[in-house]
Amino acid sequence: QKEVEQNSGPLSVPEGAIASLNCTYSDRGSQSFFWYRQYSGKSPELIMSIYSNGDKEDGRFTAQLNKASQYVSLLIRDSQPSDSATYLCAVAPENTGFQKLVFGTGTRLLVSP
Amino acid sequence: EADIYQTPRYLVIGTGKKITLECSQTMGHDKMYWYQQDPGMELHLIHYSYGVNSTEKGDLSSESTVSRIRTEHFPLTLESARPSHTSQYLCASSGGTGLAKNIQYFGAGTRLSVL
Repeated sequence: QKEVEQNSGPLSVPEGAIASLNCTYSDRGSQSFFWYRQYSGKSPELIMSIYSNGDKEDGRFTAQLNKASQYVSLLIRDSQPSDSATYLCAVAPENTGFQKLVFGTGTRLLVSP
Repeated sequence: EADIYQTPRYLVIGTGKKITLECSQTMGHDKMYWYQQDPGMELHLIHYSYGVNSTEKGDLSSESTVSRIRTEHFPLTLESARPSHTSQYLCASSGGTGLAKNIQYFGAGTRLSVL
């Protein structure tokens, strides 16, 4: 089992719809959770961080964390073609002393006009 | 806003050449990382550093080496480049206090092609 798992996609949604991206992790003691967006040929950029159970909203983005289920998700409301990218889930696991991030393989999102 | 810089952005070089990829950050971060990523594929951690004179190998075996003589500088060297080294190399840094200390900020990357 990988430490951080994501569906590779592609996840295809029409413009204006809600895109839902999911991630599970194996280290129950993990402390910090992040979503990065990576456009093709570019480097990852941080779009959301979440540290406690519940929802965290920032503009069109909502991150959701459920530590009991070891599950973190990202919702993108009113999806735009410019949101088409690969979304990486990253976790700071306890087994690294919270010193490193473990990245998922990423979910490719395609938003069609 | 992250201030982490990688040079060169693109490098095409012949087999057997020695190359150094530069990475510098101006945020005073103590931790720095090198990742390797092929197009459309996942990130692989190849080296990391927790501070000056501290370097560790990452999860993916790499023939490259790194050094950390100054906090802001974390260069990666390949003594003899081979076509199998063709990839994108991403540098990142993290630091600060609290839970935000785990946030990694990435440079723009170096795309290496070895002929």
